Amino acid sequence: NAGVTQTPKFRVLKTGQSMTLLCAQDMNHEYMYWYRQDPGMGLRLIHYSVGEGTTAKGEVPDGYNVSRLKKQNFLLGLESAAPSQTSVYFCASSSHSSNEQFFGPGTRLTVL
Amino acid sequence: SQQGEEDPQALSIQEGENATMNCSYKTSINNLQWYRQNSGRGLVHLILIRSNEREKHSGRLRVTLDTSKKSSSLLITASRAADTASYFCATMNSGYSTLTFGKGTMLLVSP
Repeated sequence: NAGVTQTPKFRVLKTGQSMTLLCAQDMNHEYMYWYRQDPGMGLRLIHYSVGEGTTAKGEVPDGYNVSRLKKQNFLLGLESAAPSQTSVYFCASSSHSSNEQFFGPGTRLTVL
Repeated sequence: SQQGEEDPQALSIQEGENATMNCSYKTSINNLQWYRQNSGRGLVHLILIRSNEREKHSGRLRVTLDTSKKSSSLLITASRAADTASYFCATMNSGYSTLTFGKGTMLLVSP
């Protein structure tokens, strides 16, 4: 099993450009999450999903959108990237019976 | 806002020594979890302790939870160089399925 995978691993954008980060998990988990990690800030929750077709806002949702069309995939979109969105983005998943979260390797995004 | 706050922010020890990290939080929780992050990698779950538990062990890890003080500690015994990483506590509030992470403790174990 691959666990949680993220695409791409690195990306550089110019201000105003858009992009989509893809998260995929093969553990049949119901819950999926998107976090951002900035130096000295720990992880902050952007959006999450408790099942296919459902999404909810986390702590820092502004400037991001998400979609969960398939149970195994969770997409994070930036419609108009800003330098403040330069960060490392992590996806995670968990089952509804266990509170343990499994993390992907991260996507390092730089917005110029 | 951050729920858990780890202390210290950084810890440097020698191999073989014990490492203790502390976490304080603000609101009632369902459970508290500890994660490890090696440089440039994703987080890895270490251990979960529920609000009705006071202590839990897993290999060289020992976690305690004091809900009256809203605090937890992670003890790594007989540290190894491979334990060098950042350690985060994360809390899950009752009725929620999300975690709130602290800012982490950077542990450096020197050979």
